[in-house]
Amino acid sequence: GAGVSQSPSNKVTEKGKDVELRCDPISGHTALYWYRQRLGQGLEFLIYFQGNSAPDKSGLPSDRFSAERTGESVSTLTIQRTQQEDSAVYLCASSPYTGETQYFGPGTRLLVL
Amino acid sequence: SQKIEQNSEALNIQEGKTATLTCNYTNYSPAYLQWYRQDPGRGPVFLLLIRENEKEKRKERLKVTFDTTLKQSLFHITASQPADSATYLCALLDQAGTALIFGKGTTLSVSS
Repeated sequence: GAGVSQSPSNKVTEKGKDVELRCDPISGHTALYWYRQRLGQGLEFLIYFQGNSAPDKSGLPSDRFSAERTGESVSTLTIQRTQQEDSAVYLCASSPYTGETQYFGPGTRLLVL
Repeated sequence: SQKIEQNSEALNIQEGKTATLTCNYTNYSPAYLQWYRQDPGRGPVFLLLIRENEKEKRKERLKVTFDTTLKQSLFHITASQPADSATYLCALLDQAGTALIFGKGTTLSVSS
C-alpha cells in the first residue's frame, strides 16, 4: 500500500508569510507525528495526534506553529508569520498505535527568505 | 529530561569491515529502543526495535544490543557495503510513552 505522503515537497516563502504543510498518513494508522529537522541536526518533535484525543503540542516552538488533524486522516501543519529560523525539513510520520514503529514521509523542505 | 548521545557524528570504514555505532541515554530506561536509517533528502526508515528485556536482536547483517545497566545500545553492521552509507538514528520512547526521542545520528561512510 501507499506510504506516508507529504506536500509540497519543497516550499520557498518570504519572511512574514504563512505556510501550510500537508501530511497524508498510512490508512488505518491512528498516531501521527510532526518533526522538524534543521540542516545537519537531529529530529525535533513538534506535535503528536492519537485518534480523537487532544494532541500533544509540547514540542511546538512558538504560538506561530499550529497543526490540525481530522479524525485519523490528513494533517496540516501551519506556520504563521514565517521567520528565517523556520527553514528546515518538516517530517511527518504515522504509526498503527501510539509508541509503535513510525513510518516517515519524504518531508517538506521549507526555505524562508 | 531524557538525552540521547550517539558516539560520533561521522564514522568512516572500509568495505567488508564491521561498523559499530553507539547510542547512550542519560535518564530512565525506555521500554524499547529503535534504530532508523536516513538517506540524504529522505525521511528515516525503521530498521530494528529491541525491547528492554532483550539483550540482542539480529536482522540479516544488522545486530543491535541493549544494555540497560550501561544505558547503552550498540548497532552493528557486519560485512559492510558502500550501500550501507547513510545516517543512522537511535530513538527511544519518551516517558509518557507517546513520542520518540531521536539522537542526532551517526553518518556512516563505507568506502570500497
